[in-house]
Amino acid sequence: GAVVSQHPSRVICKSGTSVKIECRSLDFQATTMFWYRQFPKQSLMLMATSNEGSKATYEQGVEKDKFLINHASLTLSTLTVTSAHPEDSSFYICSASSAGADNEQFFGPGTRLTVL
Amino acid sequence: AQSVTQLGSHVSVSEGALVLLRCNYSSSVPPYLFWYVQYPNQGLQLLLKYTSAATLVKGINGFEAEFKKSETSFHLTKPSAHMSDAAEYFCAAGGTSYGKLTFGQGTILTVHP
Repeated sequence: GAVVSQHPSRVICKSGTSVKIECRSLDFQATTMFWYRQFPKQSLMLMATSNEGSKATYEQGVEKDKFLINHASLTLSTLTVTSAHPEDSSFYICSASSAGADNEQFFGPGTRLTVL
Repeated sequence: AQSVTQLGSHVSVSEGALVLLRCNYSSSVPPYLFWYVQYPNQGLQLLLKYTSAATLVKGINGFEAEFKKSETSFHLTKPSAHMSDAAEYFCAAGGTSYGKLTFGQGTILTVHP
């Protein structure tokens, strides 16, 4: 149980275009979803926390107009990187948790974004 | 603010040797503690978690960790390393607002034949 999927697993786009990444909890209802960014050989950096039906809470320094997060249902959250630039190239990972899960987060497999 | 420190960004062991990955946390209240493993280009997989029950926590793949409040530590161990254990390991602490986790810097484990 507690499976989280991400789509796509890998995406290459041109500079200036927008890219949407989906995160789904397949077998449980995720009251909260988290989006992380991971640079090579570094730890995970939390970008934002989203609760179903409400606006995402962004971490300091993360541009909310650039990284649009929507958590429309208890099983789906999306991250849209708008007007992507090469510096946005990174590994993006989502995670999901449910109420009463002792803070445990279940992680998706990640999405490798490359902006040319 | 809560912080998690993993001592040693790289640990190298021989196959069959003891694995010890160190993690210290800073918190006035014992948090929830987790160890995750990440293989290249993949997400994180939970190895084990501490949630204020038993201080010695057993996880998957033969890993275990002991919560020591006096030392604010949660070190990960495995008696005998296997080649398949080669990966990056992250210690994380939760218990703060909104279920956020604070991650350590990660430790890359290399296993030599």
